Parts: sequence; structure tokens; C-alpha cells
Amino acid sequence: AQSVTQLDSQVPVFEEAPVELRCNYSSSVSVYLFWYVQYPNQGLQLLLKYLSGSTLVKGINGFEAEFNKSQTSFHLRKPSVHISDTAEYFCAVKDYQGAQKLVFGQGTRLTINP
Amino acid sequence: DVKVTQSSRYLVKRTGEKVFLECVQDMDHENMFWYRQDPGLGLRLIYFSYDVKMKEKGDIPEGYSVSREKKERFSLILESASTNQTSMYLCASSFSGRETQYFGPGTRLLVL
Repeated sequence: AQSVTQLDSQVPVFEEAPVELRCNYSSSVSVYLFWYVQYPNQGLQLLLKYLSGSTLVKGINGFEAEFNKSQTSFHLRKPSVHISDTAEYFCAVKDYQGAQKLVFGQGTRLTINP
Repeated sequence: DVKVTQSSRYLVKRTGEKVFLECVQDMDHENMFWYRQDPGLGLRLIYFSYDVKMKEKGDIPEGYSVSREKKERFSLILESASTNQTSMYLCASSFSGRETQYFGPGTRLLVL
């Protein structure tokens, strides 16, 4: 079984500052990794995903994430945040085979202050 | 664009009522999912379906049932609503063998 831990429940940053949202996972099999974003009063939207290949993955809205197999991490980064990035961010994993389901972390609420 | 719609954005029900939450997707996806989202717990899978009339329990199926009579529609049923089922409910869908799930806007359910 897989599990996901998002190490920060809330992250406040100033506008134009860099941000890193941390995600660690646990799995006995190889996994796919995802970051989803949920803007206020909306459903989840895919930001980026790691399936295979390059460990640095670029997504929408200037976000990127790096897969680190040895540390079982998939941290999300953005070099300069904007007020519009205020949202909740979810890390998720899915194993290579077996069920189609995703296992989500607890979420990180990113608040951008002017 | 993939579209996943949910029948209500907000719903208020009384304890003991039978509650139906409907989800419809327009992309011919084989897989459909129901999650509940609670603060500090992230999303937890209630049930999923990989084909018409097929269903599998997720991590927290107790108190819920589902129905999938048509490929595009997946219903979540609370047989007798309880206050601990107050939550945000999210529906998602995906193609079989594809990794990305597409989410609806969610239904915020309050059980009084």
C-alpha cells in the first residue's frame, strides 16, 4: 500500500518570493507521482505529473517538481509566486500496476501575501 | 476539454435522509471515482468503478453505496445520512490505463 505525507499543512509566502511544497511518499512498488491544485471553491486541477524519464518535471503556471527516488520525495517548486497561486496543493501517488486509484496527501494551503 | 459535472454545489440534508449525489462525465471515460475531502485529511477514496455496473470499495466505503447504470454517470448514495458525513464530495474520471484523473467542482454536503 502507498502513503503520502505533505510535510507542511500551511505555507505563507510573500508575492514574488520562491516557494517549495514538500511531499514524501512510501511504497513497496514503483509509482507515478502527481501534484494537483485546488483553487477556492473549485475542484482539483492537474499541475504536473511524473511517469518516467527526466526527474525534473515542468507543469502549468510556472511550477516544477523533482522526483528523488532515494529520498522518496516529489517536492513542488516555483521560483516566484503570484497572488493567483493562493490555493491548496495536493500530492498524490499511483502504483504502476493494479488499481487505478490515487492516494493523496493531506494537502498544503499556500497563502501569498502582498 | 474534459468536463465532469456534479449535480449540486451545495446541499443541506437532515440526519436519516437518503442522499443522492450525481456525477456525469462527457469524455467516455471507463473509470469513475468518488472521494470525500476533509481538512487535514486530504482526499479519501470512497468507491470507484471501472465499467458499467462494476464497482469497487475504496478506503472508506462504510455508510455509502454507488450506482453506475450508464458509462457517463456515477452516483453516490448515502443510505441514511449522518452528521459525520458532512464533507466535500469530489467526483473524478479517467481513461482505463491512463494516469490522469479529471475532477468535478465538488458538492459541499451539510448534514444537520
